[in-house]
Amino acid sequence: KNQVEQSPQSLIILEGKNCTLQCNYTVSPFSNLRWYKQDTGRGPVSLTIMTFSENTKSNGRYTATLDADTKQSSLHITASQLSDSASYICVVRDSGGGADGLTFGKGTHLIIQP
Amino acid sequence: NAGVTQTPKFRILKIGQSMTLQCTQDMNHNYMYWYRQDPGMGLKLIYYSVGAGITDKGEVPNGYNVSRSTTEDFPLRLELAAPSQTSVYFCASSRTSGNTGELFFGEGSRLTVL
Repeated sequence: KNQVEQSPQSLIILEGKNCTLQCNYTVSPFSNLRWYKQDTGRGPVSLTIMTFSENTKSNGRYTATLDADTKQSSLHITASQLSDSASYICVVRDSGGGADGLTFGKGTHLIIQP
Repeated sequence: NAGVTQTPKFRILKIGQSMTLQCTQDMNHNYMYWYRQDPGMGLKLIYYSVGAGITDKGEVPNGYNVSRSTTEDFPLRLELAAPSQTSVYFCASSRTSGNTGELFFGEGSRLTVL
């Protein structure tokens, strides 16, 4: 069964500090991996997509990495801001092409304290 | 563009009542989805549609029904509401289900069944 595990479950850091969120997956065959940000009371919004051939991709202060061999991804947030407080969800798509080919992680709940 | 619009945002139902969650998108996306999100759990797929007139079951379809008469609208019907259906429901759409298909989510509908 395809699975996506995220760690830590929750994280509290001070404003201005960096942090790294982890995502391990067992989805096969792998197509791509997306990180979504979900603000409290809102729907998830895509931050970045990682495909098989990509190792690192940046989107502003967010940098995602992918190691397809070990089936691990990370999301690094640099110089955190209060607006980064949210849940971050890792979503992995299999390459079967079906509309139901997504496996969601449970998310990491990040709190930025002033 | 409004994106994906869900109504209502909040609703309280009594056990055994029925209701419809509305979802509409203005991005001309072929693919639409209904997910439920329970505390501490990943998003679970209830139903999805690959185009007008076509719907299919997801991982947790029991107790729900959908229809897709137009490209824009994808309502979710709850029949005989049960406490287990207390959850936050998200409607989403994507241009394709292909290898890069980004999901665009609505703001969510919080349903409580008492």
